[in-house]
Amino acid sequence: GQSLEQPSEVTAVEGAIVQINCTYQTSGFYGLSWYQQHDGGAPTFLSYNALDGLEETGRFSSFLSRSDSYGYLLLQELQMKDSASYFCAVRAPGDTGGGNKLTFGTGTQLKVEL
Amino acid sequence: SAVISQKPSRDICQRGTSLTIQCQVDSQVTMMFWYRQQPGQSLTLIATANQGSEATYESGFVIDKFPISRPNLTFSTLTVSNMSPEDSSIYLCSVEDPDSNSYEQYFGPGTRLTVT
Repeated sequence: GQSLEQPSEVTAVEGAIVQINCTYQTSGFYGLSWYQQHDGGAPTFLSYNALDGLEETGRFSSFLSRSDSYGYLLLQELQMKDSASYFCAVRAPGDTGGGNKLTFGTGTQLKVEL
Repeated sequence: SAVISQKPSRDICQRGTSLTIQCQVDSQVTMMFWYRQQPGQSLTLIATANQGSEATYESGFVIDKFPISRPNLTFSTLTVSNMSPEDSSIYLCSVEDPDSNSYEQYFGPGTRLTVT
């Protein structure tokens, strides 16, 4: 089976830096993705790591350690609009004979305060 | 990128009835996915729908309960059959960008279903 654990909630102030961790246990692994979802909205893609290390995209960075089954999303210069839920997701072989699939983590609600 | 629309955006249904959700994409895609998300919870994959073949269902989901059609490369439907209050959820379709090295998925706005 697959399981991905994240902190349920993180609170930070505007302008700060916050790190959202994700630990996973999966029967297969191709890569780790991150998605952002605002209340009432659809998930939107943020980043993907297939190899160990840090990927930077503007204010957001994502890190992966395959040996530790661990990754994190780093958000810098926090803005109020960053208040949302963040999901890590493992891309892995489908377990019913289908193609590759995404398994989503438990999700972290980020609250950015003034 | 891909733009996805879903119909209906929300519905309130009586138990024992069925609802068919439509998903339309603005470009041709091979793989379409159907997810379920309880409010405030994570996304759970129901099935993968490929054009020209039977949908592949994840553990805990069966075709009789969630029949899926994929008549062409831009459209799919998910039916929630013989509904019960436990089926109340948000149902989302998504597609994978075939040109993305990041296997990025684009999601529709979701269908919010309430079963009474």
